[in-house]
Order: sequence, then structure tokens, then C-alpha cells
Amino acid sequence: EDKVVQSPLSLVVHEGDTVTLNCSYEVTNFRSLLWYKQEKKAPTFLFMLTSSGIEKKSGRLSSILDKKELFSILNITATQTGDSAVYLCAVGLNKLIFGTGTRLQVFP
Amino acid sequence: NAGVTQTPKFRVLKTGQSMTLLCAQDMNHEYMYWYRQDPGMGLRLIHYSVGEGTTAKGEVPDGYNVSRLKKQNFLLGLESAAPSQTSVYFCASSLFFPTNEKLFFGSGTQLSVL
Repeated sequence: EDKVVQSPLSLVVHEGDTVTLNCSYEVTNFRSLLWYKQEKKAPTFLFMLTSSGIEKKSGRLSSILDKKELFSILNITATQTGDSAVYLCAVGLNKLIFGTGTRLQVFP
Repeated sequence: NAGVTQTPKFRVLKTGQSMTLLCAQDMNHEYMYWYRQDPGMGLRLIHYSVGEGTTAKGEVPDGYNVSRLKKQNFLLGLESAAPSQTSVYFCASSLFFPTNEKLFFGSGTQLSVL
């Protein structure tokens, strides 16, 4: 059975902290791993990773994929209150399987 | 820019009632999906479609039916609603394989079944 596991389930930090979110997977068909941020409503796209070892960056966010060990990490440096959200990881080929998400709360 | 539009945004049903959720996209996307999201469960795929006239089952298809008669529309039907179907439903679309491109999500439908 395809499975995507995210950890931790929940994280509470103060502004300025650096956080690392984890996503491990076991899927039959893999092409890429995607990260989404979900605030109040629909998830919004952050990154798509297809190759091992190549870091993707967008401002204070970065992510990397390890296809040998079947996991990815999402790093957020110098966190801000606006980073508070649920972060979702998804993997697959012709359909995406989502993890349960990590709820990040950033306090001033 | 409409993108992916879901209707209705909120709905309350009684057990046994039926309803249809409508998803419309104006991006000429081939792939469309219906997900449900429950607390602590993430997004779970109900059904999806890889093109007009096609549908396929996802992770949790029981109790739901779908149709893709037109490329831009993907309908999700509940024939006999149950309290276990209380959830937030998201429609999404992508041009081709979702792992080649990002999914575009609708704003969600909050459904309560009493």
C-alpha cells in the first residue's frame, strides 16, 4: 500500500527559529515529490522535486530529495508568523498521494 | 482569472440525502481530481479523471460517484449521504501528470452530514 508519512505532526516555534519538516514515502510508482502550504483554504504549491540531491530554494524555504532513502526535507529559516500553516508533502506518478501534513505555528 | 471553481462552498445535508458538487476549470487541463480532507488525515484522493469521458478510483471511492462529460467539468455525487462523509472537499486539476506539474486547487466545499 502506498504511504507518505510526515513528521513531526505539529511544531511550535518562535519567530526567527529555523525548522526542518520531514517527509518519507513508500509508493509503487514514483516520479516526483511535491510540497504544498495550506493556510486557511486551498493548498498552494511550493516545490516539485524529481532528482536526488538537488536543492530547490525559494527565499527562506528550501527542500531536497533523497530517492535512495525515500525521503525529503523542507527547511524554513528565520521563520515568520506568516509561515504558520499546514505543510503537505505528496508523491506519486499519475496520481498524488498526500501525507497528513505538519502543522507549523510561529509565535512572535 | 477563475482557475478552479467549486460550488457550493458550504452545504448541510441530512443522512440519506443526495447532492452533487461541481468543479469547473478554465485552464484546459486534462487531469482533474476530487480529494477530501479530514482533521489529522491530510488529503485523500476520492476519484480522478485523466481526460474527458474517463474516471478512475482513488484511495477512498466508496459512497461517491463522478462524471467527466465535459473536459472543463468534474462532478462528484453523493447518492445517499452518511455522517462519515462530513468533510472538506477539494477539487484540483493539472495539465497532464500531476507529478510533472503542480496541481491547481479550488477553494473547497465544507460539507456537513447530520
